[in-house]
Amino acid sequence: QKEVEQDPGPLSVPEGAIVSLNCTYSNSAFQYFMWYRQYSRKGPELLMYTYSSGNKEDGRFTAQVDKSSKYISLFIRDSQPSDSATYLCAMSATNYGGSQGNLIFGKGTKLSVKP
Amino acid sequence: DAGVIQSPRHEVTEMGQEVTLRCKPISGHDYLFWYRQTMMRGLELLIYFNNNVPIDDSGMPEDRFSAKMPNASFSTLKIQPSEPRDSAVYFCASSRGLQPQHFGDGTRLSIL
Repeated sequence: QKEVEQDPGPLSVPEGAIVSLNCTYSNSAFQYFMWYRQYSRKGPELLMYTYSSGNKEDGRFTAQVDKSSKYISLFIRDSQPSDSATYLCAMSATNYGGSQGNLIFGKGTKLSVKP
Repeated sequence: DAGVIQSPRHEVTEMGQEVTLRCKPISGHDYLFWYRQTMMRGLELLIYFNNNVPIDDSGMPEDRFSAKMPNASFSTLKIQPSEPRDSAVYFCASSRGLQPQHFGDGTRLSIL
C-alpha cells in the first residue's frame, strides 16, 4: 500500500459545481496536510495547509482532515474554469516544509471545469 | 517577491550528454529541495539542502546524478551521462524553516 493515495481522475464538472478532491493515507504519524494546485507546465503552488484534524476555509476553498479515517479533502465551491488544474495533496509527520525530507505527495487529480 | 527561478525551462539533448539544471531559491529560505515529476511516479524527492549543506541524497537515482549548492542563492543538479529514462520535469523548491515549500516552474528535460 502506498503512503498516500489520490484518484488521478480526470474529473470534469460544469462551472458553478461543488468539487470534492480526496486523499487517503496510511501513516498515522502524518500531522501536517497541504494542498497544492498545479497548472499545466507550471510548478505546484501552495493552496491550503492545515495541522491535525479539522476544517480550514479560505474563500471558495475548504480543506478538511479526518485523522481517524486517514482521509483528507479539498472542497471547491462555485468552481470556475480558472480552477482547471491538477491538485496534489501533500503531508508530513513533522512540519509543513518537510525539513526532514519527509513531505509525501499524492500523484494528483486532474480537474477540468467546463464553462 | 521573486519566486523560485529555474533554468533552463526546456532542455532537449542526446543520450550521453551532460545536463546541468539550475535553481535560484527565494531569498531568505534556508531549505532547498530537488524533485523529479513523472506520470508514473509523481513527484519524487531527489535531494535536499539545509543552509547549503546536503542533508539527504537518498532519492538520487544513481551516481550519474549530482547536486551542489555553492551558496544560499544558487544550486545545480547535474546528470552525466544522461539517459532517455531521465526524461522528466525537474522541480526545485525552497522553504524557510518549517514553513511550506514553494516551487519553481520546473525544467522539462527530454533525452533523445
